[in-house]
Amino acid sequence: EIVLTQSPGTLSLSPGERATLSCRASQSVSSSYLAWYQQKPGQAPRLLIYGASSRATGIPDRFSGSGSGTDFTLTISRLEPEDFAVYYCQQYGSSTGTFGQGTKVEIK
Amino acid sequence: QVQLVQSGAEVKKPGASVKVSCKASGYTFTSYGISWVRQAPGQGLEWMGWISAYNGNTNYAQKLQGRVTMTTDTSTSTAYMELRSLRSDDTAVYYCARVLVGGVVVVAATSPFDYWGQGTLVTVSS
Repeated sequence: EIVLTQSPGTLSLSPGERATLSCRASQSVSSSYLAWYQQKPGQAPRLLIYGASSRATGIPDRFSGSGSGTDFTLTISRLEPEDFAVYYCQQYGSSTGTFGQGTKVEIK
Repeated sequence: QVQLVQSGAEVKKPGASVKVSCKASGYTFTSYGISWVRQAPGQGLEWMGWISAYNGNTNYAQKLQGRVTMTTDTSTSTAYMELRSLRSDDTAVYYCARVLVGGVVVVAATSPFDYWGQGTLVTVSS
């Protein structure tokens, strides 16, 4: 089973700053099958990025994804107040759909 | 518009079973699958498994094998997740999500989880 490890656990930043979140897989993940989700308290997760770099419908272009193989990155170019949340990566190309443990982006 | 509407909160005793429903609308139910994901209080997301609404084929997380059953009712566009022999560490919010799945021997996803239900809190307590 593929294990995803996200870092850092918590990212403390100010609005307007750039956020860089990492997701590392225990074995190679087809980049077609790596997704990122945003979750706010009391809400269901929301799909941001799929296929490692494609934005989901309605997602602002300040969100971008990159990477391949075992190393993937989610970048938020300029943090807006509504972007402070927890972010999860997920691989879904194998027979399982495992998630990383999450990165919390908090206001500094 | 695509919607997944889940059943309400449940309180169960240890050893009991729970069955959560997820009613889909706004798309052709049998063209997709449904995945179930749970989240214990203050914890991350845990993938539980998925089911093809086309043929009912399933794939479950290894740690839940033998305790979980996922089914669909195509006549009502509803998916169900039953978890048996409940323990306190099964206390969580349970989500359903839409996904494209395929395969016969092994059911695998070919899309991310693009629409989610609102979540159902299941509390296991004596």
